[in-house]
Amino acid sequence: AQKVTQAQTEISVVEKEDVTLDCVYETRDTTYYLFWYKQPPSGELVFLIRRNSFDEQNEISGRYSWNFQKSTSSFNFTITASQVVDSAVYFCALSTFSGSRLTFGEGTQLTVNP
Amino acid sequence: EAQVTQNPRYLITVTGKKLTVTCSQNMNHEYMSWYRQDPGLGLRQIYYSMNVEVTDKGDVPEGYKVSRKEKRNFPLILESPSPNQTSLYFCASSWAGGPYEQYFGPGTRLTVT
Repeated sequence: AQKVTQAQTEISVVEKEDVTLDCVYETRDTTYYLFWYKQPPSGELVFLIRRNSFDEQNEISGRYSWNFQKSTSSFNFTITASQVVDSAVYFCALSTFSGSRLTFGEGTQLTVNP
Repeated sequence: EAQVTQNPRYLITVTGKKLTVTCSQNMNHEYMSWYRQDPGLGLRQIYYSMNVEVTDKGDVPEGYKVSRKEKRNFPLILESPSPNQTSLYFCASSWAGGPYEQYFGPGTRLTVT
């Protein structure tokens, strides 16, 4: 069985602060995929990133960066210089190699205050 | 425009009255899936389909049925809804053969009284 834990239920920051969202996962598979999705107040789910278990390179996309550490089974997400528009629920998810099963974490509600 | 559509978007019904939530995608995706979202629990997979006529249970299949007769459609059926099925439901699709990004529908807010 696989499991994703996002221990931070809610985070509140002031605009321009950096914020890191934690994600810890459990799986017995040696090949797997990790995802982050964003759910803004409008409710839709927006794909942010996918990372496979063989690629531990960190990734940066604008103000977003992801730190994948297999040794600690973590896939953390950092927003640099946060903005009000970053306010959303963020989900970390884990997929089997076949892609048939996608397990989500509980989600972290991020509120960025002006 | 590439999209996943769900209908209805909002539904209030009574216990025991059968209902169907439709899901359709126009991207020719082989894989489709249903999730329910509940506060504090994230999204949980109900059923998924790797291709036409191929469906399988996810983590929380009890009380739900699905069918995949056509590639583009994947309806979710609640034969006898109960209040504990009150939730926000999402349909998603992606290319099969690997865990690609899933494209999600807009969601269906279901209330069972």
